[in-house]
Amino acid sequence: NAGVTQTPKFQVLKTGQSMTLQCAQDMNHEYMSWYRQDPGMGLRLIHYSVGAGITDQGEVPNGYNVSRSTTEDFPLRLLSAAPSQTSVYFCASSYGRGNEKLFFGSGTQLSVL
Amino acid sequence: DAKTTQPPSMDCAEGRAANLPCNHSTISGNEYVYWYRQIHSQGPQYIIHGLKNNETNEMASLIITEDRKSSTLILPHATLRDTAVYYCIVGGYNFNKFYFGSGTKLNVKP
Repeated sequence: NAGVTQTPKFQVLKTGQSMTLQCAQDMNHEYMSWYRQDPGMGLRLIHYSVGAGITDQGEVPNGYNVSRSTTEDFPLRLLSAAPSQTSVYFCASSYGRGNEKLFFGSGTQLSVL
Repeated sequence: DAKTTQPPSMDCAEGRAANLPCNHSTISGNEYVYWYRQIHSQGPQYIIHGLKNNETNEMASLIITEDRKSSTLILPHATLRDTAVYYCIVGGYNFNKFYFGSGTKLNVKP
């Protein structure tokens, strides 16, 4: 009954460091996505994937890379962290057939100093 | 895709019905209305969605006006645990066009 699992839950980086936020789902969902949420604001789409090997940019993709080598995993890479990337990051997934609900992970709180 | 307008905050007494409005005047014919909520800083949780007919599930009811330009989410007997930010979203087939906005902060009071 895992659903969407995100790791780590908390992370502190220094400016310029790189890291990967992990997202895994065990529901055989084709669609996966990454959002960021800044304080007091709604979620903004970073990148999404409609299946293994297929990714595309969302609303705020700059500074982030993604890949989708398996159906289960959709990691988000920060190549050179900046203070502006301090945020809470959420991964979400669905079957991708439309007219259905998104399942969200519990989030990763990232601070870049 | 259509954007939505929601009041920034609402109060509701525990045990009473909470009626959360949403305007989506630019919704197109194939777009659904979705409601999610976010408790504290947890991941958003799906509540309900609909196209044009009213919908009800174990969590809530969704009332969509005949012209589909607005909708209301109804929590029939609000509890303290329903205190959250509620997001009204309109979207079609592609989740990549979901726009979450700032939502409505519902405060359920004893």
